[in-house]
Amino acid sequence: GQNIDQPTEMTATEGAIVQINCTYQTSGFNGLFWYQQHAGEAPTFLSYNVLDGLEEKGRFSSFLSRSKGYSYLLLKELQMKDSASYLCAVREWDDKIIFGKGTRLHILP
Amino acid sequence: ETGVTQSPTHLIKTRGQQVTLRCSSQSGHNTVSWYQQALGQGPQFIFQYYREEENGRGNFPPRFSGLQFPNYSSELNVNALELDDSALYLCASSEWRATSGRADTQYFGPGTRLTVL
Repeated sequence: GQNIDQPTEMTATEGAIVQINCTYQTSGFNGLFWYQQHAGEAPTFLSYNVLDGLEEKGRFSSFLSRSKGYSYLLLKELQMKDSASYLCAVREWDDKIIFGKGTRLHILP
Repeated sequence: ETGVTQSPTHLIKTRGQQVTLRCSSQSGHNTVSWYQQALGQGPQFIFQYYREEENGRGNFPPRFSGLQFPNYSSELNVNALELDDSALYLCASSEWRATSGRADTQYFGPGTRLTVL
């Protein structure tokens, strides 16, 4: 079956670092996405991993281990505007994209 | 470059009615996917359209149907609306790569908030 797990909520402090984990069990694997979604808005693309390893893009990095069915999104130098939901999504062999329920990240001043 | 647009922004319907939601894909994108997002949940895949044909479908009943037009814009139609259909409906566009046999990264529109009373 299909299952994508990520924590429901996390809290971190402005200026700190936070890691949001995602584990998945899907029908085939053809890449993993991370999206950011502010309340009432559409998801915006953050990163895409298809090979094992770390992809760094400014303050955001995403890691993938296909053998472990595991990914994480690392956010550095947290800013108040980073308060949002972070969605982990897996693309299956037939190109369907399955989303997790999202992790609501709260940033405290 | 024009991003993904959707209309209307908000919509209120009653049970049993029918609704049509519209999406214009980002310039250069030929594939459109539709998602339903209930409050506090992640988006759920409804279906994808490529070259005016359905190219994959999630676990949604037949009363959810769609169309894609030659300019790659798309419609989502929902018949016999139920209370549980109340959600944010997201459209995402991407470019289908014939060389890889799959679509590139999807970019989302702002969504249509549907309320069924």
